[in-house]
Amino acid sequence: EVQLVESGGGLLQPGGSLRLSCAASEFTFSSSAMSWVRQAPGKGLEWVSAIRGTGVSTYYADSVKGRFTISRDNSKNALFLQMNSLRAEDTAVYYCAKIRGGSPTFDYWGQGILVTVSS
Amino acid sequence: QSALTQPASVSGSPGQSITISCTGTSSDIGGNNYVSWYQQHPGKAPKLMIYDVNNRPSGVSNRFSGSKSGNTASLTISGLQAEDEADYYCSSYTNSRSWVFGGGTKLTVL
Repeated sequence: EVQLVESGGGLLQPGGSLRLSCAASEFTFSSSAMSWVRQAPGKGLEWVSAIRGTGVSTYYADSVKGRFTISRDNSKNALFLQMNSLRAEDTAVYYCAKIRGGSPTFDYWGQGILVTVSS
Repeated sequence: QSALTQPASVSGSPGQSITISCTGTSSDIGGNNYVSWYQQHPGKAPKLMIYDVNNRPSGVSNRFSGSKSGNTASLTISGLQAEDEADYYCSSYTNSRSWVFGGGTKLTVL
């Protein structure tokens, strides 16, 4: 069964930086595009960023472009999200999601990790 | 990219059928066949229920079905059961290589 486990969340002040990690297992990680999706408390889902299996191509929502960087280490089956210049509105549960082969669909999700930005 | 439009809530009695609509634009729903639906129970991660408009992943009940007409997609749940009570989100891939979600619909089983 596909497993995705996020880590690295926490509480930090506006303007700070944080790096989220997602450990993947039970599928061919290097062949799979991956994504981050977030959910603010009591709100809906918001796509954040995606990366192709090779790591060459990356994509970002306008709300995080220029502040967040997605990356991956295929040798360690790991996905990352470097978040800089954090704002209160970035407060959310961040989910790591696998993108289904042949279709731009999030077929497996991690349990999520909470990031709180507050002074 | 604006969020897709879903009703805030729907309800139905056990055994009944309900349909949740999801309206977008020609840049997302109307421009491809990459509409998906996710079920989310409180405190849990979303679960894929429908992909590519009307396909069910392995293990998802055939009581769940999807369709699309123009810029509007729909999720239908037949034979409503208590465990179907959850939040449901639609999503579409867009022509700008991004994804957009709906605001979510809370399904209450009466």
